[in-house]
Amino acid sequence: GAVVSQHPSWVICKSGTSVKIECRSLDFQATTMFWYRQFPKQSLMLMATSNEGSKATYEQGVEKDKFLINHASLTLSTLTVTSAHPEDSSFYICSAPGQGYGNTIYFGEGSWLTVV
Amino acid sequence: RKEVEQDPGPFNVPEGATVAFNCTYSNSASQSFFWYRQDCRKEPKLLMSVYSSGNEDGRFTAQLNRASQYISLLIRDSKLSDSATYLCVVFAGGSYIPTFGRGTSLIVHP
Repeated sequence: GAVVSQHPSWVICKSGTSVKIECRSLDFQATTMFWYRQFPKQSLMLMATSNEGSKATYEQGVEKDKFLINHASLTLSTLTVTSAHPEDSSFYICSAPGQGYGNTIYFGEGSWLTVV
Repeated sequence: RKEVEQDPGPFNVPEGATVAFNCTYSNSASQSFFWYRQDCRKEPKLLMSVYSSGNEDGRFTAQLNRASQYISLLIRDSKLSDSATYLCVVFAGGSYIPTFGRGTSLIVHP
């Protein structure tokens, strides 16, 4: 079946540095990918919709200059957390929709970011 | 009112118990419904789709009530391994962007 791979699984970085998270669709093409953030015991919060070959669509309240999204190919989307701060520490997870509307969603394994 | 609402729980039940969760949605144009399971510190994984006629997969039964705009998940003969958070996912008609519920936490104890 379709698989979405996310890397790295966990990362610890110093405050002020930038971190890049990759999301790959392994055996299918994903023109759209979604990036979520989940704080402990909270629901998944959609940050942005990544569109291949065009600018990402950010949800209200998400800083596009802080969370840079690049979707340069049909199988790869990246999220870069720039100038990370401790409050950015969270579980970041990407997903890609299945074929057609209202189909299943394929999630990456998620990335735990800890900013110290 | 949130688009998709779930009782966050936790539901704390003994092994072998039957437990049911509901999920209400506000958009009457919603067309597709799913239950996902999320283990602690892991990504959500598809548990089952929810069909209009209801569907069953082993100990799990999902049902849809369009009139009252909710879906349900019934777990029979609970196992310790069923302990997880169960997420309700809803798609509006013609949309590929899912709306997630907050999740319901289930704890099955010996």
